[in-house]
Amino acid sequence: DAGITQSPRHKVTETGTPVTLRCHQTENHRYMYWYRQDPGHGLRLIHYSYGVKDTDKGEVSDGYSVSRSKTEDFLLTLESATSSQTSVYFCAISSAEGTGNQPQHFGDGTRLSIL
Amino acid sequence: AQSVTQLGSHVSVSEGALVLLRCNYSSSVPPYLFWYVQYPNQGLQLLLKYTSAATLVKGINGFEAEFKKSETSFHLTKPSAHMSDAAEYFCAVSGGTSYGKLTFGQGTILTVHP
Repeated sequence: DAGITQSPRHKVTETGTPVTLRCHQTENHRYMYWYRQDPGHGLRLIHYSYGVKDTDKGEVSDGYSVSRSKTEDFLLTLESATSSQTSVYFCAISSAEGTGNQPQHFGDGTRLSIL
Repeated sequence: AQSVTQLGSHVSVSEGALVLLRCNYSSSVPPYLFWYVQYPNQGLQLLLKYTSAATLVKGINGFEAEFKKSETSFHLTKPSAHMSDAAEYFCAVSGGTSYGKLTFGQGTILTVHP
């Protein structure tokens, strides 16, 4: 299995609080991704990174920011959490060289509840 | 732009029966296609991938999929369902200079009855 660790695995917090989720990889892959999974929507891309300090928005990036200061770590931050951000968040990594011909490998997810 | 449509949010089969999960894609460039499986409370696991080599792709756990360009389809099949195949299945597409980004279908929940 790909060495991907997400933390925390579960979190309950209140509306308006900041939340940071961490994804750590031991594979030295260049590409990292954050998705959210909601019933009926499959997985939707929030942000992705194609190198240290190189990040870009996905299709559902509003309300989220990311940072990647080291190859192995990709952080997802909810600056002021809202109930609509209650979801399961997955991190993925890939060795794809920009063309998408390599699969992504996924972490075990973080279940985030915002009350 | 790319998109994926999985026909049927729920599929139910009997143990030993054929499994057929449908996936149609749209892509402006030659696509790379993937099937993933998700068991309850787990992450996604790669079942198989199509990356422009053979059009019939074999994956893990006895699953296979056939890429049909004329039909823009990549349906997943297994000749004989096992109880352990009960899970949610996702089809995904990427391609071109997309930084390896995946676009997922909505998912199909497979139920296997004894």
